[in-house]
Amino acid sequence: GQQVMQIPQYQHVQEGEDFTTYCNSSTTLSNIQWYKQRPGGHPVFLIQLVKSGEVKKQKRLTFQFGEAKKNSSLHITATQTTDVGTYFCAATMNNAGNMLTFGGGTRLMVKP
Amino acid sequence: NAGVTQTPKFQVLKTGQSMTLQCAQDMNHNSMYWYRQDPGMGLRLIYYSASEGTTDKGEVPNGYNVSRLNKREFSLRLESAAPSQTSVYFCASSEAGQVGNTIYFGEGSWLTVV
Repeated sequence: GQQVMQIPQYQHVQEGEDFTTYCNSSTTLSNIQWYKQRPGGHPVFLIQLVKSGEVKKQKRLTFQFGEAKKNSSLHITATQTTDVGTYFCAATMNNAGNMLTFGGGTRLMVKP
Repeated sequence: NAGVTQTPKFQVLKTGQSMTLQCAQDMNHNSMYWYRQDPGMGLRLIYYSASEGTTDKGEVPNGYNVSRLNKREFSLRLESAAPSQTSVYFCASSEAGQVGNTIYFGEGSWLTVV
């Protein structure tokens, strides 16, 4: 079963509101990556986090890796219609080889 | 620079039919992957090839076979399609293993088995 849980599964927001998706694991993660998939499209790499407590920003997007390296979040400030899509986290577990395990994704819908 | 190219984009199969999904990358990547995507399930790894000449099972390999034809190409074969294999299939590649490496995805193949 899925070892990386992502919540919420869906989120509707009004344009201009903030949005956050969370990725949680019971296992310590070596690293975590975030991907965005536009409707009908393919996943596109956004960022990778490796260090405990790491925070990275890309314009309106803020990515955070938990201190215990068991969770991560993606926060979008002041959403725009171009943010519509599904956001996936993908993590490598400690002592579990090199393969990424993807979360189920959070589908973001933005009302203009 | 095409990146990862996969064909066909859409396919309808009857139960029991066979087919091969083709994938090629032009980024000189060592590692290639096949994923399937189902609603609410995220992306699940079917098979991967860490380098030319090697293939390994992923999370959901049953009902599939793969061939790493050369460094560029990695095909996925369904020998006897079942309705449970209705899904969107993504081929992907990375420079080396997944840890620390960006994965580049193809545009997807929509497969329906009736």
